[in-house]
Amino acid sequence: DTGVSQDPRHKITKRGQNVTFRCDPISEHNRLYWYRQTLGQGPEFLTYFQNEAQLEKSRLLSDRFSAERPKGSFSTLEIQRTEQGDSAMYLCASSLRTGITDTQYFGPGTRLTVL
Amino acid sequence: DAKTTQPNSMESNEEEPVHLPCNHSTISGTDYIHWYRQLPSQGPEYVIHGLTSNVNNRMASLAIAEDRKSSTLILHRATLRDAAVYYCILRDPPRGTDKLIFGTGTRLQVFP
Repeated sequence: DTGVSQDPRHKITKRGQNVTFRCDPISEHNRLYWYRQTLGQGPEFLTYFQNEAQLEKSRLLSDRFSAERPKGSFSTLEIQRTEQGDSAMYLCASSLRTGITDTQYFGPGTRLTVL
Repeated sequence: DAKTTQPNSMESNEEEPVHLPCNHSTISGTDYIHWYRQLPSQGPEYVIHGLTSNVNNRMASLAIAEDRKSSTLILHRATLRDAAVYYCILRDPPRGTDKLIFGTGTRLQVFP
């Protein structure tokens, strides 16, 4: 197993453009999470899926953000009409929830820079 | 969600033990104490977790106070690779969601 992968690792875009990030979780993990991290801060939760169902969305996830996890495997996070404030590291994590708690495994992140 | 308080930074020399404290005075009876760390330019990684009893694994030990209002992550022999930001996180699976709520953590510097 190669762990959680994210693509691309870096993205530079101009304000107003749309961007899409992809996350491939560890196979057979039923939960997938998206977080955002700005410089000097800890990661902030954005949303998570159990299989293909999106179970929670943070208030940080404005209408310009949308996430999908078709077929309960990989996930995409799209940001429409990007703003400079969207510049951050976007982290994906996956887990296998079987007991009372789980361990989340994080990918390397996608660093977004909005010019 | 219950909050945690950690020192902003700590320093250690290589091969010495490191004790990273975390205060969580408002912890509830069902909150688990989790520790994650984030090495430079990487995503966070799980370190250890516990509920009431002290826990050991190959990476670290977790010492939990009897009243559960504080805990300490113990790295028995720090290496340069342990230089990272360490996050203490409370999770309440029965009542809350499974999201991780990170604070600003403790930045650990390890000197050769």
